[in-house]
Amino acid sequence: AQSVTQLDSQVPVFEEAPVELRCNYSSSVSVYLFWYVQYPNQGLQLLLKYLSGSTLVKGINGFEAEFNKSQTSFHLRKPSVHISDTAEYFCAVVNYGQNFVFGPGTRLSVLP
Amino acid sequence: DTGVSQDPRHKITKRGQNVTFRCDPISEHNRLYWYRQTLGQGPEFLTYFQNEAQLEKSRLLSDRFSAERPKGSFSTLEIQRTEQGDSAMYLCASSRRSVDNEQFFGPGTRLTVL
Repeated sequence: AQSVTQLDSQVPVFEEAPVELRCNYSSSVSVYLFWYVQYPNQGLQLLLKYLSGSTLVKGINGFEAEFNKSQTSFHLRKPSVHISDTAEYFCAVVNYGQNFVFGPGTRLSVLP
Repeated sequence: DTGVSQDPRHKITKRGQNVTFRCDPISEHNRLYWYRQTLGQGPEFLTYFQNEAQLEKSRLLSDRFSAERPKGSFSTLEIQRTEQGDSAMYLCASSRRSVDNEQFFGPGTRLTVL
């Protein structure tokens, strides 16, 4: 069975500082990896996804993530955050024909 | 592409009452999913449909929960004899049949059981 760990439940960071949100997964088969963002009182919105190919994936709003197969990680990064990036971020894993398994989420708080 | 819509957005009910939620997926998507999300947690899978067929149900889906997608378009999720533990955000998502199964989420229905 697949599982996803997001070790940081909350990450406070000052505006314009870099941020990394960590995601580790476990699976016995190859998987596809996703990062979703959830703004208050809204549904989840896709930030980026890794299917195959280059391990560095670029997404919307200046976010990027790097897939590391040996460390089974898919950490999300942004070089300079804005107040508007304050939200909940979810890492998810799926393999072909299966359903999404989401991590518990990381609450990013961007401070002025 | 109008996105996934859910109705109602908020529902407050008394314990023991029945509630029904509706989800309208993106029109060309043949897969539809229901998730439950509690405070501070990621979405937990409940069930999914491919067209009108319900293909998988989570163990989280007790006998009080039932979902339908009668014509392969919109779906309903009914909770009978609601309990306080049912209070959560209920999310609907849809996708095309594809290898990566990318899902598009609706805004959710927040249920509060008093």
